[in-house]
Amino acid sequence: NAGVTQTPKFQVLKTGQSMTLQCAQDMNHNSMYWYRQDPGMGLRLIYYSASEGTTDKGEVPNGYNVSRLNKREFSLRLESAAPSQTSVYFCASTPSQGTGTQPQHFGDGTRLSIL
Amino acid sequence: SQQGEEDPQALSIQEGENATMNCSYKTSINNLQWYRQNSGRGLVHLILIRSNEREKHSGRLRVTLDTSKKSSSLLITASRAADTASYFCAARPQGGSEKLVFGKGTKLTVNP
Repeated sequence: NAGVTQTPKFQVLKTGQSMTLQCAQDMNHNSMYWYRQDPGMGLRLIYYSASEGTTDKGEVPNGYNVSRLNKREFSLRLESAAPSQTSVYFCASTPSQGTGTQPQHFGDGTRLSIL
Repeated sequence: SQQGEEDPQALSIQEGENATMNCSYKTSINNLQWYRQNSGRGLVHLILIRSNEREKHSGRLRVTLDTSKKSSSLLITASRAADTASYFCAARPQGGSEKLVFGKGTKLTVNP
């Protein structure tokens, strides 16, 4: 099993361009998450999806949209990229059995630079 | 910001020594989790401690939790060069959400 797969691994955009980051998991998990990681800031939640068909804002949702395409896939879209969105983006998933005691499984990230 | 804080921000030790990292958080929690991140990789779950637990062990890892002080510590005993990584605590707030609130991390370097 691959776990959580993110594509692409690296991307350079110009200010104003749009882009979709892809995430897929093969563990039959219900919940999926998008984080950004900036130096000295740890991980901050952008959006999450508790189950197929639902999405909710996290701590830093401005400038992003998400789509939970099906149970496996959760995409993150930047409609008009800004330099402040330069970051490493991580997707994660968890079984979400309602107990909150399941760990999150992470992909290896997408390194995004916006010029 | 809802983020917690880890300290120290960076820690450098020799192989065989113990490493202690501390974490503080801001809300009442259901549980607290520790994750490890190797350079250029995603986070990997290490251990979870529930709010009604005070200490938990897993191999060379020992985690403590003090809910009255809203703090936790991660001890790695007999460290190895392969333990070099960043370590993050993540608090799951009380309530129905599955969300985690991550700290800013401690960068551990274990010198051979």
